Amino acid sequence: GENVEQHPSTLSVQEGDSAVIKCTYSDSASNYFPWYKQELGKRPQLIIDIRSNVGEKKDQRIAVTLNKTAKHFSLHITETQPEDSAVYFCAASNTGGFKTIFGAGTRLFVKA
Amino acid sequence: GAVVSQHPSRVICKSGTSVKIECRSLDFQATTMFWYRQFPKQSLMLMATSNEGSKATYEQGVEKDKFLINHASLTLSTLTVTSAHPEDSSFYICSARGGQYNQPQHFGDGTRLSIL
Repeated sequence: GENVEQHPSTLSVQEGDSAVIKCTYSDSASNYFPWYKQELGKRPQLIIDIRSNVGEKKDQRIAVTLNKTAKHFSLHITETQPEDSAVYFCAASNTGGFKTIFGAGTRLFVKA
Repeated sequence: GAVVSQHPSRVICKSGTSVKIECRSLDFQATTMFWYRQFPKQSLMLMATSNEGSKATYEQGVEKDKFLINHASLTLSTLTVTSAHPEDSSFYICSARGGQYNQPQHFGDGTRLSIL
């Protein structure tokens, strides 16, 4: 069935360093890839998304890359800050599908 | 824009009680609403998907008679946990999506359910 794998499960970086979270998806028909940030006890919030007709998208310190051939997509956070500490979820969906498949999440710790 | 309101935020009740959780899209029409359960430090586990006016589609292992979902309008979906027991204690989150499938889901704040 459809599956999204996310790595690493936990990531600890020093403030100012970059953080990279990687995901792979199994459904080749997937064409929409959102990323969500969830702080403790709060709702997941969309931080960036990318569609399959684009290879890279950037929004300030956050960027997402997509390799359709390899079915990989990644989240890059530069100049990390303590407030970036949260759980990040990748997801994949497609036009013909009915639901979004979420990765297992990455717990990011940014040490001051 | 794209605000989803979920109520209540916290419920504490005795075993055997039925609990209803509401999920409302405030500024858009939610063609599809999703209900998730999240255990501590774990991912979002999809329980069911509902389209307005249709019966919900439940994920494997989720008891439809236990978790009743109603999506009566384009702005409201409800999840009722019937005869709740301690093992039903969890964080329940709804999300809503309007329009095409390849659009983001917008999440509610979640409901922390504690069954004593």
